[in-house]
Amino acid sequence: AQTVTQSQPEMSVQEAETVTLSCTYDTSESDYYLFWYKQPPSRQMILVIRQEAYKQQNATENRFSVNFQKAAKSFSLKISDSQLGDAAMYFCAYRSEGGKLIFGQGTELSVKP
Amino acid sequence: GAVVSQHPSWVICKSGTSVKIECRSLDFQATTMFWYRQFPKQSLMLMATSNEGSKATYEQGVEKDKFLINHASLTLSTLTVTSAHPEDSSFYICSARRPDTSSYEQYFGPGTRLTVT
Repeated sequence: AQTVTQSQPEMSVQEAETVTLSCTYDTSESDYYLFWYKQPPSRQMILVIRQEAYKQQNATENRFSVNFQKAAKSFSLKISDSQLGDAAMYFCAYRSEGGKLIFGQGTELSVKP
Repeated sequence: GAVVSQHPSWVICKSGTSVKIECRSLDFQATTMFWYRQFPKQSLMLMATSNEGSKATYEQGVEKDKFLINHASLTLSTLTVTSAHPEDSSFYICSARRPDTSSYEQYFGPGTRLTVT
């Protein structure tokens, strides 16, 4: 069975600085998708970024980028130029071939002005 | 992006009663929807996969007779919590999978907070 682990329950970053959130996963599948979701206090899940496992190139979306290390089964999220609005719970998720999303435990990010 | 709605956003019910939560995909047809449960400060736990026109597939440990799921149309799935008890109080989130994207993107509803007194 697939598992997703986020080892940082809480992280803090100064506004305008860069922060990296860690995520590791375990799977025997060769083709899959990885995602980072943001859950602000409203609790609406928002897709931040996605990565297809067969793609070597790391995904980027504006200030958000990932470091995808397939062999190491690592999928970290880097947030550059952090903004107050980035404060939220961040979940790493693995999507299996069957389509289910498996979430990590989450990392609560706070942004200090 | 695609829009998924949930109704109600917050419901309070008495112990022993049943409550129905609706999940609608507003601008696309979703053959597959998912139901999650989230406790405060915790992650989302998949409860079941809802497929249009067929029985839902429940995750291990989820009581199918307690959490009834119906996916009667391509835009609507419902979760009914039967004979609710205080331990069923939680935040319930649905998602709808969009089949017309290469990544079969899941779009999430805003969630429903259930409080059982």
